[in-house]
Amino acid sequence: EDQVTQSPEALRLQEGESSSLNCSYTVSGLRGLFWYRQDPGKGPEFLFTLYSAGEEKEKERLKATLTKKESFLHITAPKPEDSATYLCAASLDDKIIFGKGTRLHILP
Amino acid sequence: DTEVTQTPKHLVMGMTNKKSLKCEQHMGHRAMYWYKQKAKKPPELMFVYSYEKLSINESVPSRFSPECPNSSLLNLHLHALQPEDSALYLCASSQAGTANQPQHFGDGTRLSIL
Repeated sequence: EDQVTQSPEALRLQEGESSSLNCSYTVSGLRGLFWYRQDPGKGPEFLFTLYSAGEEKEKERLKATLTKKESFLHITAPKPEDSATYLCAASLDDKIIFGKGTRLHILP
Repeated sequence: DTEVTQTPKHLVMGMTNKKSLKCEQHMGHRAMYWYKQKAKKPPELMFVYSYEKLSINESVPSRFSPECPNSSLLNLHLHALQPEDSALYLCASSQAGTANQPQHFGDGTRLSIL
């Protein structure tokens, strides 16, 4: 069965404390791995697409990486405004499967 | 600001009412989607339109009726909803026929059923 699992479910960090969010996937025929950020009461905001193992993408304090089994979203020296829920999603030929998300809270 | 615009932002309706949710995009995308999202849960796919034709209906109850009048617009008609239908309804769009392109979401309509 195709599955996407994110961990941890929730994460509290001090401002400046770097960490990584995990997205592990078990799917047949991955076409792309997407990362989104979602703020409360808003729609998911697209961050990155990763297509093949070894690929990396960066944007400000965020870096996404991909292996054959999982993806990581590394956050370096986070600020309170980085607090949000981060969703990963695996795109297959006929569907997209979302993980349940990681709720990230950055304390000032 | 998102490039997918949804109206209204909030909607409160009784179980006997009929209302519609609207979605508009001007990115030239030919695939459009409706999702339902409950609190602290990921988006749950409801419908997919590709080139203005319904291509996926994820066994959604008939009280939800989608419509795609043209390539930029997507509607969701609501009738006789139940309290458990209260949720955030999200519209998204993407390039059609390419599973490796991301979906872009609107900010949703917060629906409350009394």
